[in-house]
Amino acid sequence: EVQLLESGGGLVQPGGSLRLSCAASGFTFSSYAMSWVRQAPGKGLEWVSAISGSGGSTYYADSVKGRFTISRDNSKNTLYLQMNSLRAEDTAVYYCAKRIQGVIITGAFDIWGQGTMVTVSS
Amino acid sequence: EIVMTQSPATLSVSPGERATLSCRASQSVSSNLAWYQQKPGQAPRLLIYGASTRATGIPARFSGSGSGTEFTLTISSLQSEDFAVYYCQQYNNWPPKDTFGQGTKLEIK
Repeated sequence: EVQLLESGGGLVQPGGSLRLSCAASGFTFSSYAMSWVRQAPGKGLEWVSAISGSGGSTYYADSVKGRFTISRDNSKNTLYLQMNSLRAEDTAVYYCAKRIQGVIITGAFDIWGQGTMVTVSS
Repeated sequence: EIVMTQSPATLSVSPGERATLSCRASQSVSSNLAWYQQKPGQAPRLLIYGASTRATGIPARFSGSGSGTEFTLTISSLQSEDFAVYYCQQYNNWPPKDTFGQGTKLEIK
């Protein structure tokens, strides 16, 4: 079964840091581009970041550029999101998501994790 | 940034009837558009990609149409499990900068 399982969320103070992980199973992880998408409480979906299958190319939303870093360890089938200088507006459920078309870094997301909640508050 | 605008914000339809949801892009996204369904407390579920291709396991009552800037998701005969929030997503940008619509809540009339 194809599955994504996020972890690492929690409560952090403004200005703090957090690292999210997403463990993948059931597919050849290194063959697929991946992304992080977030959803603030009661709000819509916001794309955060994308990474190529090899990890050599990364992309960010303007709202997180310079503060967040996406990475992957293909030997561990795991995707990461390092979040620094966190702000109240980063409070959201963070989902990892798999692109539908392999190494193509754009495209729809056919598999989503269950999400992990990040709360930025003092 | 490509802005995606969905209408209506809320749609009230009776079970068994047809529902038509709209999504408009601020500039052409070709056919690089997807639709998702999200139920409370759950992750989004892919319904349609490439504007009109149903994802694996999606019932035939879901159909997508459109290209360029105007898109439609049609649910031909609503079942109880279809009442949810629906989002459109464009993925036409290079470098990648996906954007989502604000969602349409489909509720039982």
